Amino acid sequence: GAGVSQSPSNKVTEKGKDVELRCDPISGHTALYWYRQSLGQGLEFLIYFQGNSAPDKSGLPSDRFSAERTGGSVSTLTIQRTQQEDSAVYLCASSLDYLSTDTQYFGPGTRLTVL
Amino acid sequence: AQSVTQLGSHVSVSEGALVLLRCNYSSSVPPYLFWYVQYPNQGLQLLLKYTTGATLVKGINGFEAEFKKSETSFHLTKPSAHMSDAAEYFCAVSPNTGGFKTIFGAGTRLFVKA
Repeated sequence: GAGVSQSPSNKVTEKGKDVELRCDPISGHTALYWYRQSLGQGLEFLIYFQGNSAPDKSGLPSDRFSAERTGGSVSTLTIQRTQQEDSAVYLCASSLDYLSTDTQYFGPGTRLTVL
Repeated sequence: AQSVTQLGSHVSVSEGALVLLRCNYSSSVPPYLFWYVQYPNQGLQLLLKYTTGATLVKGINGFEAEFKKSETSFHLTKPSAHMSDAAEYFCAVSPNTGGFKTIFGAGTRLFVKA
């Protein structure tokens, strides 16, 4: 079956603009996760969804970041008033359930460049 | 709070040599442990994981890792490196005490020399 897909694959924007990143999880996966991968650093956890709800938003770097998931499927990560430090690869993953033991399946990522 | 440390941001081995990538964790309770691999221009994929049971875990592509509670380690090994193993490897932990937040290490880039 199809894996996790993300769009766009690359996004270049100007400082101060808003951007929206999209994630399509594997069909039937109830849990969805967003991470940020900055150059030379590991993955930084941003947020996860159980179905459509996000129990833990503590990983979002600032109030400029928000995410939603509708219909238990597609999720969008929105960054308002982008800053240069937001430049990174944003990774989405999904898992069958939201257990700590579940394998996460990752998408290819969206590379965001803020000029 | 949990944390993960991967020793060495870059590791270089010759083809056919032993691969050893180190991972140590910090947690008040032994967590669940994972190794993920990221090939160039691809997403991360699971190599192996330890949840319960046997402490020596075998994964895909000939990799294995051993959970050592006394050393708080989960090092990844492969007896003989292939050129195709060149990638970035991430160790990760998640709690086994309820709740969820997977913590990833900074990653180790493996280079394989012919």
